[in-house]
Amino acid sequence: GESVGLHLPTLSVQEGDNSIINCAYSNSASDYFIWYKQESGKGPQFIIDIRSNMDKRQGQRVTVLLNKTVKHLSLQIAATQPGDSAVYFCAENWANTGNQFYFGTGTSLTVIP
Amino acid sequence: DTGVSQDPRHKITKRGQNVTFRCDPISEHNRLYWYRQTLGQGPEFLTYFQNEAQLEKSRLLSDRFSAERPKGSFSTLEIQRTEQGDSAMYLCASSFMEDTGELFFGEGSRLTVL
Repeated sequence: GESVGLHLPTLSVQEGDNSIINCAYSNSASDYFIWYKQESGKGPQFIIDIRSNMDKRQGQRVTVLLNKTVKHLSLQIAATQPGDSAVYFCAENWANTGNQFYFGTGTSLTVIP
Repeated sequence: DTGVSQDPRHKITKRGQNVTFRCDPISEHNRLYWYRQTLGQGPEFLTYFQNEAQLEKSRLLSDRFSAERPKGSFSTLEIQRTEQGDSAMYLCASSFMEDTGELFFGEGSRLTVL
């Protein structure tokens, strides 16, 4: 079946460095993508989203890139801080399924002070 | 507290018992979602509501699972005849707009089936 997956399950970065978290999706019909952050013991928290008619979107310290040709999504975090340590999930919305969002396995980001 | 509230936060039950979880969404949000999350995995979509209408329920894991949102406000998720494989975190989320992936999640209800 179709699935959302991540290239790396864990990522460690030095405080102040930039982080890049990758996500591969296999459903070519997906038209909307979201990144979530989940801290230990908490529910996921929305970070940023991007629709399939865009290839880049920027937020505060975060940038999402979408490459539809290779079905790849990435989240870039600038000047990573200890508070960024969490598990990051990408989620996709299959076209014409309403608001059903399907999450990947997640990448655990650890920021080293 | 204006966030999504879930109750109970933890539930331990014996196999075969029924359990019910409650979710109170953010008050002005008309969309409500249920997800299940097991250790090391991303949230798994179960079902969602637009006001009191259940728009999708085919992803509920079995006929032992059911969800309601009778008045378009709070929602309940019931699991009948629990099995050990039902042990997981059950997450509720809500959103205001129909066409958004910005879901506001609660902290979840953790179920342990002995």
